[in-house]
Amino acid sequence: GDSVTQMEGPVTLSEEACLTINCTYTATGYPSLFWYVQYPGEGLQLLLKATKADDKGSNKGFEATYRKETTSFHLEKGSVQVSDSAVYFCALSDLDNAGNMLTFGGGTRLMVKP
Amino acid sequence: EAEVAQSPRYKITEKSQAVAFWCDPISGHATLYWYRQILGQGPELLVQFQDESVVDDSQLPKDRFSAERLKGVDSTLKIQPAELGDSAMYLCASSFEETQYFGPGTRLLVL
Repeated sequence: GDSVTQMEGPVTLSEEACLTINCTYTATGYPSLFWYVQYPGEGLQLLLKATKADDKGSNKGFEATYRKETTSFHLEKGSVQVSDSAVYFCALSDLDNAGNMLTFGGGTRLMVKP
Repeated sequence: EAEVAQSPRYKITEKSQAVAFWCDPISGHATLYWYRQILGQGPELLVQFQDESVVDDSQLPKDRFSAERLKGVDSTLKIQPAELGDSAMYLCASSFEETQYFGPGTRLLVL
């Protein structure tokens, strides 16, 4: 079945540092890929997405490129802020699966210190 | 901006009691999902509706959980009886094409 693997956290960075959170996937079809962010006590917010190979999703300074050859979708940001502290989830949606359900990774907690 | 609404935001109950959660999806979204998120883990799908019909409930513990979406709009998830292991965040989402939009969740604590 489909699966998503993320790097384990927590990831602790100083403000203005560069961020990379690794995400790799396995899927039987041609999935769409997503990054969601969850702030403490809240639901998940869509951060960015990519629907086909070589697409780059971007939002709020974050970006991720759909790499089919390495089955990866790593999240990057050039300069993090304290307000970026949250849990980040990589997910895939495989239209070959009935219902278009999302399969999530385990999440990576990011802590940004001033 | 339209949002998915959920209530209550927090629920504390004793084991063996019944609990119910409500979700109102974004207007016009035909597909609705219920997920359970255990602390420190990613969400896992419990049930998916397309309009009023269940598309996938393979991971729903049907001996104690039930879900309905009678008019194809809002939805209710019920647990009866609640067990200690049910303590988690229950998330509702609705989708437009293949992008899912999540509500704020209901955090359940079973004592």
